[in-house]
Amino acid sequence: DARVTQTPRHKVTEMGQEVTMRCQPILGHNTVFWYRQTMMQGLELLAYFRNRAPLDDSGMPKDRFSAEMPDATLATLKIQPSEPRDSAVYFCASGFFRTGDDEQYFGPGTRLTVT
Amino acid sequence: QKEVEQNSGPLSVPEGAIASLNCTYSDRVSQSFFWYRQYSGKSPELIMSIYSNGDKEDGRFTAQLNKASQYVSLLIRDSQPSDSATYLCAVGNSGGSNYKLTFGKGTLLTVNP
Repeated sequence: DARVTQTPRHKVTEMGQEVTMRCQPILGHNTVFWYRQTMMQGLELLAYFRNRAPLDDSGMPKDRFSAEMPDATLATLKIQPSEPRDSAVYFCASGFFRTGDDEQYFGPGTRLTVT
Repeated sequence: QKEVEQNSGPLSVPEGAIASLNCTYSDRVSQSFFWYRQYSGKSPELIMSIYSNGDKEDGRFTAQLNKASQYVSLLIRDSQPSDSATYLCAVGNSGGSNYKLTFGKGTLLTVNP
């Protein structure tokens, strides 16, 4: 049963601390997305990678957020320093991009609370 | 600015009825359309994808697409209490080099026993 996995599932941290979230995409998928979901804003795209190369990170606050894909089985999203307004659920999704077949599958999410 | 609009609801239907969820989008070059179901506290789950005008049926679910009107809908027949969730419409530019999905904010569906 192929699934996207994310760790940690929950994270509570104090303002100013560094937060690292990890994602393992579905084996064989070449595109990985990071989303943030809040009640007010809904689901927002932060960044995405194809074949491990960053394609778009325009949705990400550049001064504190960074996303990397050190290998095909791991994507990371870091926040440094964290702020209370970063409290949200962060989802990773993966898919195999090709014309006419671009479905994305979501991981279980990381629920981040910054106090 | 690409936009995807959905009625936030809540949409309340009795068990056994047909639930109709609607979505409009602003980008005329959009080519791929998806419906995700999200239970409270869970992640979005893909339930339907549609790429061509017309209807696509999968079990109790039917997705309808009208590109000329920039409109996509999801019908749920014989609604069950287990269908109670938020339904997210997503629109993409399949085939484009800078592909990504734009999501609506979702419609909350409640199916009453």
